[in-house]
Amino acid sequence: AQKVTQAQTEISVVEKEDVTLDCVYETRDTTYYLFWYKQPPSGELVFLIRRNSFDEQNEISGRYSWNFQKSTSSFNFTITASQVVDSAVYFCALSEARDYKLSFGAGTTVTVRA
Amino acid sequence: GAVVSQHPSRVICKSGTSVKIECRSLDFQATTMFWYRQFPKQSLMLMATSNEGSKATYEQGVEKDKFLINHASLTLSTLTVTSAHPEDSSFYICSATGEPNYGYTFGSGTRLTVV
Repeated sequence: AQKVTQAQTEISVVEKEDVTLDCVYETRDTTYYLFWYKQPPSGELVFLIRRNSFDEQNEISGRYSWNFQKSTSSFNFTITASQVVDSAVYFCALSEARDYKLSFGAGTTVTVRA
Repeated sequence: GAVVSQHPSRVICKSGTSVKIECRSLDFQATTMFWYRQFPKQSLMLMATSNEGSKATYEQGVEKDKFLINHASLTLSTLTVTSAHPEDSSFYICSATGEPNYGYTFGSGTRLTVV
């Protein structure tokens, strides 16, 4: 069963618009970790954030913000005032304490047009 | 921060030959390494997990005799694609971790093309 669902395949916005990427996860573990990664066309994975299951505080880092809600098993990511450099594929991922394997969602391709 | 070096970044090989991909942790001891494969416009799929000094654990559907993984030291893991075929052409990326509760450091990936 898929553990991480990113329902949005592609999102296209105009520069300066906000964009929110949805991530819904599934796990039976009480201890788990959620991640967001950015993958630009060059292919390398850029780490954006890690959140453990006991920390539901939302986080803001510059133009990036994350909303973690255990009640809905969601860990959504918002880019505020998007820029062309934000164009990339964004992956949400989950690791469970039982084995620490990292499972990725299908990814969301974000295209920011000038 | 933690750095993982992966080589080569690109490789083209002939069908039937073997290719070795190296993944090195430069500034930490990687007790566990993960190998992923990513086909174009798809997600990263975990192939196997390797712990230093022990045999790799392969995910369902991954042929262990075709994808040989060696994790002989705390800083080096290798993936060898044996008897490569065009359908093995993909982006291979490794990830290393050094403790139980932490993040994952990824290599920069290897784009394999089998002709």
